[in-house]
Amino acid sequence: SQTIHQWPATLVQPVGSPLSLECTVEGTSNPNLYWYRQAAGRGLQLLFYSVGIGQISSEVPQNLSASRPQDRQFILSSKKLLLSDSGFYLCAWSRMGRQPQHFGDGTRLSIL
Amino acid sequence: SQELEQSPQSLIVQEGKNLTINCTSSKTLYGLYWYKQKYGEGLIFLMMLQKGGEEKSHEKITAKLDEKKQQSSLHITASQPSHAGIYLCGADISEYGNKLVFGAGTILRVKS
Repeated sequence: SQTIHQWPATLVQPVGSPLSLECTVEGTSNPNLYWYRQAAGRGLQLLFYSVGIGQISSEVPQNLSASRPQDRQFILSSKKLLLSDSGFYLCAWSRMGRQPQHFGDGTRLSIL
Repeated sequence: SQELEQSPQSLIVQEGKNLTINCTSSKTLYGLYWYKQKYGEGLIFLMMLQKGGEEKSHEKITAKLDEKKQQSSLHITASQPSHAGIYLCGADISEYGNKLVFGAGTILRVKS
């Protein structure tokens, strides 16, 4: 069976510090991978998605970037965090085509 | 997302009562996905609907897709405390099936 791991679960960072969130998927190959942000009381906003190694599509202009160095690894990064980067970050994977996405447990990011 | 309107925003029901959550898209639906989320956790996939008129059930939860109205409904029969949480609909509005837009979610509380 497939599993998705996301870490850390919570993170408190000062403004201006760098960020690296990691997501890995097990039990499948060549998955589509996604990063979302969920603000309090709001739906999910798609940040990045990837259909293959090194292929990243950005959905919104922002202070964040994503990379996919390996088939089942997806990393969300920032060089300098802003207060507005606070939120709940979720990683997800899906098979190719019209398939449901399956989510990790999320990372709660607080910027001080 | 303005592309996907979910109603109601929140719902409090007495245990044993039925309830319905609606999700309406402003764009053509190529697929509709229902998820459940507990606060601070990831999303759990419930059901996927792809064809107009399609209806799926899992235990006491039934989802329907009205393709002409670009709308889906989620119906819970004889609600239980375990049904409490946040329900989100996700719509596939892209031709290629690579990404979803999500509604803001419906917070469900079940009073016992």
